[in-house]
Amino acid sequence: AQRVTQPEKLLSVFKGAPVELKCNYSYSGSPELFWYVQYSRQRLQLLLRHISRESIKGFTADLNKGETSFHLKKPFAQEEDSAMYYCALSAYNTDKLIFGTGTRLQVFP
Amino acid sequence: KAGVTQTPRYLIKTRGQQVTLSCSPISGHRSVSWYQQTPGQGLQFLFEYFSETQRNKGNFPGRFSGRQFSNSRSEMNVSTLELGDSALYLCASSFGGAVDTQYFGPGTRLTVL
Repeated sequence: AQRVTQPEKLLSVFKGAPVELKCNYSYSGSPELFWYVQYSRQRLQLLLRHISRESIKGFTADLNKGETSFHLKKPFAQEEDSAMYYCALSAYNTDKLIFGTGTRLQVFP
Repeated sequence: KAGVTQTPRYLIKTRGQQVTLSCSPISGHRSVSWYQQTPGQGLQFLFEYFSETQRNKGNFPGRFSGRQFSNSRSEMNVSTLELGDSALYLCASSFGGAVDTQYFGPGTRLTVL
C-alpha cells in the first residue's frame, strides 16, 4: 500500500535560516509527488509537483527514488512561509492522492 | 473564475442521523475528490468521481457514499452517524484527476453529538 510519512509535526526556524521539510514515501512504482500548502485562513493549495521541477516561492523539491524521499527545501525562510505543508503521492492509474500528516512551519522574525 | 464551493459550511448532527454534503467544482473540471480531515489522521481520501463515475474509493465503511451529477457537482452522504465522523470534509476539483492540480474548497465542518 502507498504511504506518505512526514516525520516532523512542527518545524520552527528564524527568518533567513534554511528550511527542509521532510517527506518519505512507500510505493513500489513510479509515483507522482506533490507539496500542498495551507496558509492561515486560506484553502489548501498546490505548491509544487516533482514532475515540473520548478521553484515556487523559492521552494524546491527533488525526488530521490533511492531514498524514496521528496524533501521540500528553501535556502532562506521568510515569515510569510509560515503555514501547514502537506506532502502527497499519487500512484499510477489510481486517481487518488495520499497525503502525509503535515508539517507546520513557523518562521520567527 | 469562481473557486470550489461547499455547502453547508457547518453542520451539527446527532448520532444515528444521516447527512448530505455538497460540492460545486470549478467550471470545466470533471473530477471531484473528497477527503476527511481530522487532527489525528490528517487528510484521508474518501472517493473520487469523474464524469459521474466513481473511479476510486478509500478505506471507509459503506456508510460513506457519494455521487456526481452531469454538471460535475458532487454530493457525499454519511448514514448512521458516529461520534468519530466529526471532521472537516474537503472536496477538491481538477480537470482530469489526482495528477492534475487539485483545487480545494473551504470544507464542511461536521460535528456529531
